[in-house]
Amino acid sequence: GENVEQHPSTLSVQEGDSAVIKCTYSDSASNYFPWYKQELGKGPQLIIDIRSNVGEKKDQRIAVTLNKTAKHFSLHITETQPEDSAVYFCAVLSGGSYIPTFGRGTSLIVHP
Amino acid sequence: DGGITQSPKYLFRKEGQNVTLSCEQNLNHDAMYWYRQDPGQGLRLIYYSQIVNDFQKGDIAEGYSVSREKKESFPLTVTSAQKNPTAFYLCASSRDGSMNTEAFFGQGTRLTVV
Repeated sequence: GENVEQHPSTLSVQEGDSAVIKCTYSDSASNYFPWYKQELGKGPQLIIDIRSNVGEKKDQRIAVTLNKTAKHFSLHITETQPEDSAVYFCAVLSGGSYIPTFGRGTSLIVHP
Repeated sequence: DGGITQSPKYLFRKEGQNVTLSCEQNLNHDAMYWYRQDPGQGLRLIYYSQIVNDFQKGDIAEGYSVSREKKESFPLTVTSAQKNPTAFYLCASSRDGSMNTEAFFGQGTRLTVV
């Protein structure tokens, strides 16, 4: 089955800095890569996603890059704000499956 | 407002009891899912259902049961056979069974065994 590794497990930055979270996957047939943000005591919410036919996607301060050759994709948050503090999960969906495999999550802490 | 609702938010269970967690969605989604979340473990799939009256076991189905009698409802029963049920439980839905579309999560139920 698919194996998804997410790093780092915790990330602490100063307000205004950039944050980068990386995920690697094993199945070269994977074709859908969403990122979710989970605030304390709440369910995850989709913040951005990318499909295998695209290398990069941006939405204001958030961007995702995909390197299919190396089988990794990354979440980039610029100009971080305290409200960005949360747990972020990557997920991978393989072409032969409709159930995503989640990474273990990254706890991002943005210090004012 | 459309969305997915889980209840209760907090649930306490005595050892040996079965408990049922509710999950309701009014998004007209075909597919629904149950995940268990433990610290440092990410999200682990318990059960999923692509369509009414059909469901499949996920990676950690032992000690759990589900039903999908209505499109909008997918309750999860944590049975006494589940040896370590204390966890945060998340229900999700997606438009179709491919989940190649956005998944919407509920706010979760925190179950504690006392």
